[in-house]
Amino acid sequence: AQSVAQPEDQVNVAEGNPLTVKCTYSVSGNPYLFWYVQYPNRGLQFLLKYITGDNLVKGSYGFEAEFNKSQTSFHLKKPSALVSDSALYFCAVRDPNAGNMLTFGGGTRLMVKP
Amino acid sequence: EAGVVQSPRYKIIEKKQPVAFWCNPISGHNTLYWYLQNLGQGPELLIRYENEEAVDDSQLPKDRFSAERLKGVDSTLKIQPAELGDSAVYLCASSLGQGANTGELFFGEGSRLTVL
Repeated sequence: AQSVAQPEDQVNVAEGNPLTVKCTYSVSGNPYLFWYVQYPNRGLQFLLKYITGDNLVKGSYGFEAEFNKSQTSFHLKKPSALVSDSALYFCAVRDPNAGNMLTFGGGTRLMVKP
Repeated sequence: EAGVVQSPRYKIIEKKQPVAFWCNPISGHNTLYWYLQNLGQGPELLIRYENEEAVDDSQLPKDRFSAERLKGVDSTLKIQPAELGDSAVYLCASSLGQGANTGELFFGEGSRLTVL
């Protein structure tokens, strides 16, 4: 069975500093990995995905994520955080050998302080 | 292009009452999902449709929950009767279907249910 872990319930960072939101996964085959962001009282919005190719993928709003197969991780990063980045972030994984089911992590709340 | 549309956005009912949620996916998206999201947690899949066929409903509590997507477009999710523990946000999402570059789901803004 596939699973995703986001070990931090909350990440606090000062505006202008780099941020990292951690994600580790478990699947039987090669994973498809995703990051979504959720603002208050809104649905989830797609940020970026890794399917194959370069381990560093770039997405919306200046975010990027690095796929590390040996560590089974897909951490979300941004070089310089903005207050407006404050939101709930979800990592998700899909095992292409197990249908089209997308499994989400429990989420990490990012708080960027001015 | 319109996104995934859900209604109602908010619903407050008393326990044992029925409730229904409606979802209109993005035009052309053949895969539709219903997710349950409890406060502060990640979404959990309830049911997935490929066109009008429910291909994954293993997490749907079938004693009280039902869903349909009769023409392969709009979908409804029903709870009857509702229980206190059903209070949550019900998210609908759609995607273009299967393939190497799919998996990007487009979510609606959700229907927040409060059961009193």
